[in-house]
Amino acid sequence: QVQLVESGGGLVKPGGSLRLSCAASGFTFSDYYMNWIRQAPGKGLEWVSYISSTSNYINYADSVKGRFTISRDNAKNALYLQMNSLRAEDTAVYYCARPHEPHYYNGMDVWGQGTAVTVSS
Amino acid sequence: SYELTQPPSVSVSPGQTARITCSGDALPKQYAYWYQQKPGQAPVLVIYKDSERPSGIPERFSGSSSGTTVTLTISGVQAEDEADYYCQSADSSGTYVLFGGGTKVTVL
Repeated sequence: QVQLVESGGGLVKPGGSLRLSCAASGFTFSDYYMNWIRQAPGKGLEWVSYISSTSNYINYADSVKGRFTISRDNAKNALYLQMNSLRAEDTAVYYCARPHEPHYYNGMDVWGQGTAVTVSS
Repeated sequence: SYELTQPPSVSVSPGQTARITCSGDALPKQYAYWYQQKPGQAPVLVIYKDSERPSGIPERFSGSSSGTTVTLTISGVQAEDEADYYCQSADSSGTYVLFGGGTKVTVL
């Protein structure tokens, strides 16, 4: 079945780094844009970044631009989020999510279970 | 900066109709999507491209669009529909993905 599984979350000190991974299965990963979306405790959903199927089109939310880097490895069916210079306000559950149709960035119909990131000293 | 605006909460009795609005200047140009999220769970897409319903989503969920406002309608609300609902779209250039602040639907 179509599935996304995130990993790599944890506790990190302010200013530290973390790399999240998302393993995809059950669909042709290389046909799809992929997104990272986060949710701070008790708060709403916030889009973080997306990457096109061939990695030639990438965008970030202003809140993470210059600190986070999205990437993918289509041979491994894997999506990544390198997070540097982490701040307390980056504390959230991070979801990877797949758009509902190939070659389009919007409207996510498949979500992972999320991985929790806590930034605290 | 561009925003999508939703009411924080909507209350409805079982069997009645709940309507959740989402306003944004780019909505005439960009599709809207709606998600249902229950506590401790990942969001679920309930409406895509303004008014299309994914397979497996009950027919009581419908979407509509008019100008700068899109609406999610839940007809014949059931207790299991109690959840947070988020609208989502993009800015006018299609560069950035945006979420509304979310609406908590309470079934009385």
